[in-house]
Amino acid sequence: TQTVSQSDAHVTVFEGDSVELRCNYSYGGSIYLSWYIQHHGRGLQFLLKYYSGNPVVQGVNGFKAEFSKSDSSFHLRKASVHWSDSAVYFCAVSASSSFSKLVFGQGTSLSVVP
Amino acid sequence: GPKVLQIPSHQIIDMGQMVTLNCDPVSNHLYFYWYKQILGQQMEFLVNFYNGKVMEKSKLFKDQFSVERPDGSYFTLKIQPTALEDSAVYFCASSLPWQGRKYERLFFGHGTKLSVL
Repeated sequence: TQTVSQSDAHVTVFEGDSVELRCNYSYGGSIYLSWYIQHHGRGLQFLLKYYSGNPVVQGVNGFKAEFSKSDSSFHLRKASVHWSDSAVYFCAVSASSSFSKLVFGQGTSLSVVP
Repeated sequence: GPKVLQIPSHQIIDMGQMVTLNCDPVSNHLYFYWYKQILGQQMEFLVNFYNGKVMEKSKLFKDQFSVERPDGSYFTLKIQPTALEDSAVYFCASSLPWQGRKYERLFFGHGTKLSVL
């Protein structure tokens, strides 16, 4: 069974700052890792995903994430945040045995102060 | 972009009654999902559905739950009878068919808040 952990429930940064949102997972086999964003009162929207190849993947709006097998991590980063990036960010894992079943982390609420 | 619509946005119902949550998925999508999120907790997988069948379901998908998509209309989640612990926000999602190892992103609706009294 795959599990996902997002250690930070809330992160607050100033506009223009860089940010890292942490995601750790546990699963022994092949997996997909992805990030979704949820603005208040709306559904989740896809940001990016990783399965194999270059461990650094680029997403929309300047977001990128880096896969680390040794750390079992898939942290999300942005070099310079904007107030509109304020939202809840969810990391998700799906296992090779059932790729279409996404298991989500608890979410990290990002607040960007103008 | 493509949108998943959920109707209604909020449903209040008495414990023991039946409720049907409706989802209008993206038009060319063939995989459908329901997720449950209790306030302050993570979103949890309930079920996915393809080609008229439940593909996978979690332990949260109790016997009182059922899903269907008759004749390409709404994808529905029915709970009969409802219990207090069913109070949550239910998110519907859809995607293109998963083929091999090609990742298919999920498109989510805004959620239906179900309040069981």
